[in-house]
Amino acid sequence: QQQVKQSPQSLIVQKGGIPIINCAYENTAFDYFPWYQQFPGKGPALLIAIRPDVSEKKEGRFTISFNKSAKQFSLHIMDSQPGDSATYFCAASTPQSKAAGNKLTFGGGTRVLVKP
Amino acid sequence: SQTIHQWPATLVQPVGSPLSLECTVEGTSNPNLYWYRQAAGRGLQLLFYSVGIGQISSEVPQNLSASRPQDRQFILSSKKLLLSDSGFYLCACRGTPGIEQYFGPGTRLTVT
Repeated sequence: QQQVKQSPQSLIVQKGGIPIINCAYENTAFDYFPWYQQFPGKGPALLIAIRPDVSEKKEGRFTISFNKSAKQFSLHIMDSQPGDSATYFCAASTPQSKAAGNKLTFGGGTRVLVKP
Repeated sequence: SQTIHQWPATLVQPVGSPLSLECTVEGTSNPNLYWYRQAAGRGLQLLFYSVGIGQISSEVPQNLSASRPQDRQFILSSKKLLLSDSGFYLCACRGTPGIEQYFGPGTRLTVT
């Protein structure tokens, strides 16, 4: 019940295309859903995050869509560029207290390649 | 904003040797700290987390241990490294207050 399932494992798009990464969860107690971007040899960087009280959030060319009833959320990269080529991770957490650890449950990751 | 430092950046160690990786955090106090391991081309595996000085929780049984001697210092150790300990080790921090979890630059460990 703590799993977050991410798909696809890899994705290739042409420059300007819109890669879409999907995540599904079972635990209805999850209330925070961040996305991370990781370049090879670097630590993951927090990209954008959403709470279940909104259905969509945009930051620059990155958009999260959230479907609470379907227990799914997705990342869209608008007008993708070769520099967006990276591995993307979705994650989720429940409203834990600090003492409980505030742990994130991560999806398995999606490797995105944007061809010029 | 928080800044996370990890060292060394890369490390090559023989099987059976000890290990000590260090993580320090700036820009926050009383953070939750985390150690993750990432195998090549794989996802993020939470190894340990700490909610305060001297408080360590282990997520998976293994050859590693963690310690938190100071509020913003987190150390990952091993007495005898195994080949399977090779990987990319990431320290992460969740500050107080705040919900976001931030990652450090990582340490690439190769056990030969």
